[in-house]
Amino acid sequence: QQQVKQSPQSLIVQKGGISIINCAYENTAFDYFPWYQQFPGKGPALLIAIRPDVSEKKEGRFTISFNKSAKQFSLHIMDSQPGDSATYFCAASVNGGTSYGKLTFGQGTILTVHP
Amino acid sequence: ETGVTQSPTHLIKTRGQQVTLRCSSQSGHNTVSWYQQALGQGPQFIFQYYREEENGRGNFPPRFSGLQFPNYSSELNVNALELDDSALYLCASSRKLANEQFFGPGTRLTVL
Repeated sequence: QQQVKQSPQSLIVQKGGISIINCAYENTAFDYFPWYQQFPGKGPALLIAIRPDVSEKKEGRFTISFNKSAKQFSLHIMDSQPGDSATYFCAASVNGGTSYGKLTFGQGTILTVHP
Repeated sequence: ETGVTQSPTHLIKTRGQQVTLRCSSQSGHNTVSWYQQALGQGPQFIFQYYREEENGRGNFPPRFSGLQFPNYSSELNVNALELDDSALYLCASSRKLANEQFFGPGTRLTVL
């Protein structure tokens, strides 16, 4: 059962444009939503994360928008640069007791930023 | 601060063999999680170790097993390798009961 659905599978953006990647989840117990960036041959690197008590979080050019009622969240990359070209994964986890950090990932989005 | 390291980088095995992958957690981290990432897919949670005990398991058969040592490093063992076990195996570490997971570079396992 895929609990986190990510779209689009691939995205091409011009330099300076806005990249938008969307995720939807099913498990209402999820309460931590990170985004990871992965370059070829590397492990995923944590970009930014949000908890459901806020609707938006911004760090530099990266913004997460969160819609609890729709069970959706998205990553916006402003002023996209060729160096942002990578695969992006959304993820979610249920946290409480001793259950922390067991991430359920989306399928990934391959972002290509053209110069 | 030393990041998460994994060894070996690459590994080729034949079907039916056994393999052991190793992970050293980031300094100050005592929880280790293992993930399997098939080509073109998102990582899938295998299991997590905390205080040298398994602390949760994903949908993987018992031939996937692990250990955590007193220095918080960890091993992933896979018995009776199958072709579908070919994947990138990722280790992630975190502080005690923390959300943020920090991943290593992974071990690329190829089963022929």
